[in-house]
Amino acid sequence: NAGVTQTPKFQVLKTGQSMTLQCAQDMNHNSMYWYRQDPGMGLRLIYYSASEGTTDKGEVPNGYNVSRLNKREFSLRLESAAPSQTSVYFCASRDGGGSPFFEQYFGPGTRLTVT
Amino acid sequence: KNQVEQSPQSLIILEGKNCTLQCNYTVSPFSNLRWYKQDTGRGPVSLTIMTFSENTKSNGRYTATLDADTKQSSLHITASQLSDSASYICVVSAFWGGSQGNLIFGKGTKLSVKP
Repeated sequence: NAGVTQTPKFQVLKTGQSMTLQCAQDMNHNSMYWYRQDPGMGLRLIYYSASEGTTDKGEVPNGYNVSRLNKREFSLRLESAAPSQTSVYFCASRDGGGSPFFEQYFGPGTRLTVT
Repeated sequence: KNQVEQSPQSLIILEGKNCTLQCNYTVSPFSNLRWYKQDTGRGPVSLTIMTFSENTKSNGRYTATLDADTKQSSLHITASQLSDSASYICVVSAFWGGSQGNLIFGKGTKLSVKP
């Protein structure tokens, strides 16, 4: 099993450009998440999808959109990239329904630089 | 405000030595506490998950302790190895229910093990 995969691994964008970060999981998990990790800060939740067909905002959603394409795939789109979006982006997935005693699995991350 | 504070920010130890990392939290209502290991350039990987009723939990050379009364946790690493060099992240889950990603992340402790 590959677990959680993300593409691309690295990306450099110019301010104003757009791009989509892709995420897929093969563990048949219902819930998927997008986080960003910045130096000196903990991971922060951007958007999440509790199940196929639903998406909700997290702590820092501004400047991003998401699509839960199917149960396996959850993409993150930057419509007009800004230097403040330079970060490492992690996708994660978990099962367990509403139980707080879940195991959450993270992808390897996408390192994005906006110049 | 729900917060997770970790100390120290960084730590350098010699191979074979033991070390202890600290985590204090103010998350309420508390559900469980997790420790993750994040290797450079990788996503976080779960080491332990502890509920309020568990005082100690081990995973190989990693031993986590939890004092729910004082809202403190520690991660003790025994007989460190070079492969232990990583960031260790304390994460607290609150009893908000649902799948909205109710995890609060600490900023991590960066551990370097030198030969």
